Amino acid sequence: AQSVTQLGSHVSVSEGALVLLRCNYSSSVPPYLFWYVQYPNQGLQLLLKYTSAATLVKGINGFEAEFKKSETSFHLTKPSAHMSDAAEYFCAVSATGANSKLTFGKGITLSVRP
Amino acid sequence: GAGVSQSPSNKVTEKGKDVELRCDPISGHTALYWYRQSLGQGLEFLIYFQGNSAPDKSGLPSDRFSAERTGGSVSTLTIQRTQQEDSAVYLCASSFSGNQPQHFGDGTRLSIL
Repeated sequence: AQSVTQLGSHVSVSEGALVLLRCNYSSSVPPYLFWYVQYPNQGLQLLLKYTSAATLVKGINGFEAEFKKSETSFHLTKPSAHMSDAAEYFCAVSATGANSKLTFGKGITLSVRP
Repeated sequence: GAGVSQSPSNKVTEKGKDVELRCDPISGHTALYWYRQSLGQGLEFLIYFQGNSAPDKSGLPSDRFSAERTGGSVSTLTIQRTQQEDSAVYLCASSFSGNQPQHFGDGTRLSIL
């Protein structure tokens, strides 16, 4: 069984500040890990994915995440927040086999203050 | 279009009616997934299709829910005798194969009166 924990439901940062969104996972097998972003009334857009290659993964829009097996974490960071980053962010885990159905965390809403 | 297309974008119906939601995946994508997004339950997996293999229906919440995928392309999610708890956004995703990143449509927002 797999699960994802995203602590807190809302994070607020100032424009230009560091963004850190936390994600911890539980998996009985080596997982694939993902971060998705969702803007209002839209579907999910893939930010980045970890698939057992490099542990530091770079994604779109300046985001990156580091896979830490010892901490079972996959936290999302961005050095400098932009107003356009305001959205809901979901961490997800899947098995590495053919059926990669995603198990999602509850999501975190990121607000960016001017 | 280049992305996953879902229709209708919004559906309002009365309790007890049947509804059909449509998903048109990205051309060439063999894997197709349905998810449900609701306030109480978050994002939940419903069903997975891969080529001609038997679908993984393990996420369907009740026998009122069914889905089919015709010709390995378009998929229809059917909810029979709708209940108010079925109100949610239903998201469809497709991928090139079963272990590739999934691309999501914008969803169908279903409201049961």
